[in-house]
Amino acid sequence: EDKVVQSPLSLVVHEGDTVTLNCSYEVTNFRSLLWYKQEKKAPTFLFMLTSSGIEKKSGRLSSILDKKELFSILNITATQTGDSAVYLCAEYGAQKLVFGQGTRLTINP
Amino acid sequence: GAVVSQHPSRVICKSGTSVKIECRSLDFQATTMFWYRQFPKKSLMLMATSNEGSKATYEQGVEKDKFLINHASLTLSTLTVTSAHPEDSSFYICSASAGGNTGELFFGEGSRLTVL
Repeated sequence: EDKVVQSPLSLVVHEGDTVTLNCSYEVTNFRSLLWYKQEKKAPTFLFMLTSSGIEKKSGRLSSILDKKELFSILNITATQTGDSAVYLCAEYGAQKLVFGQGTRLTINP
Repeated sequence: GAVVSQHPSRVICKSGTSVKIECRSLDFQATTMFWYRQFPKKSLMLMATSNEGSKATYEQGVEKDKFLINHASLTLSTLTVTSAHPEDSSFYICSASAGGNTGELFFGEGSRLTVL
């Protein structure tokens, strides 16, 4: 059965810090790995990664995938209080998206 | 990005009643829609995969007679929670694929169900 594991489960930092969120996966028929941000309602899409070693960036957020080691990281630099959310990693394999447990990130002013 | 609308966003019902949640893709056709359930402070658990014009595929442990899924058109899927009980109270989220084979899904806003 496909499995996605995120770490840490919870993280509290100060505004301005840089954070790294981890996602490891065990899947069959891997197609892509996705990152989502969830605040109060449904998740919002951040990144989709399909190839190893190619960093994707969006402002202060970046992500990279290692298909050999089966993991991905999400980096957030110069964190702001608005970055506080649950960050979900998901793997798309056998025609369905399997989510990790999420990392609850709290940014304190 | 593509827009998925989910309705109602919040519903409160009495135990034993049935509740229907609608999920619509507004600006694209979705041959496949997915229904997730999320408990407080937990991740999204896939309940079923809904394919237009055919029966839904349910994940292990999800009662198909309890959670009826209908995908009658390329833009609408519905989830009916039948004979709801308090333990069915949860946040239900639908998502839809706009095509392609990479797994990018667009999520509805979610429906919070409270069964009294």
